[in-house]
Amino acid sequence: AQSVTQPDIHITVSEGASLELRCNYSYGATPYLFWYVQSPGQGLQLLLKYFSGDTLVQGIKGFEAEFKRSQSSFNLRKPSVHWSDAAEYFCAVGAIRGGADGLTFGKGTHLIIQP
Amino acid sequence: NAGVTQTPKFRVLKTGQSMTLLCAQDMNHEYMYWYRQDPGMGLRLIHYSVGEGTTAKGEVPDGYNVSRLKKQNFLLGLESAAPSQTSVYFCASRRDRVSIEQFFGPGTRLTVL
Repeated sequence: AQSVTQPDIHITVSEGASLELRCNYSYGATPYLFWYVQSPGQGLQLLLKYFSGDTLVQGIKGFEAEFKRSQSSFNLRKPSVHWSDAAEYFCAVGAIRGGADGLTFGKGTHLIIQP
Repeated sequence: NAGVTQTPKFRVLKTGQSMTLLCAQDMNHEYMYWYRQDPGMGLRLIHYSVGEGTTAKGEVPDGYNVSRLKKQNFLLGLESAAPSQTSVYFCASRRDRVSIEQFFGPGTRLTVL
């Protein structure tokens, strides 16, 4: 069964500093990987996705993620965070195994921005 | 296009009461999903549907029923609500078997007293 691990429950970063959120997945074949962001009281917004090809993926709001097959990782990065980036971030993996599988989500990382 | 919408946004129930959550999508997507989100647990799949008239169980289906009578709507029912069903419920849709990306609704916050 596929699984996603986000090792950091909370991360605190100063505004203007760089950010890296970790995501490790377990899946037997090439995964389809996603990062979603959830602002307080809001739904999930897709930041970026990886299906195939270039392992460095660019997303919205200045985020990027790098797929590393050898490390089973898909870490999210941003060179300079803004106060508005404070939110919950979810990594997810999907597959076409039976054609209809839902996404498997990590438990999330809560990002706090210090002024 | 409204995308994926959910009704209601908030609801408070007493233990034993029943209710139905409505999810609607206007993207002509084949697949639809219901997830629940609990603190520290991420999102977990409750039920899903691969087309009109079809439903299937996900990871945490107990205590819930679903129906997909129309392609654009996916209903989640709680026949006898329990405090353990206090959660935020998200609906999502997906275009078809090939397209993996899911589009999420804004969520329904349900409290069972």
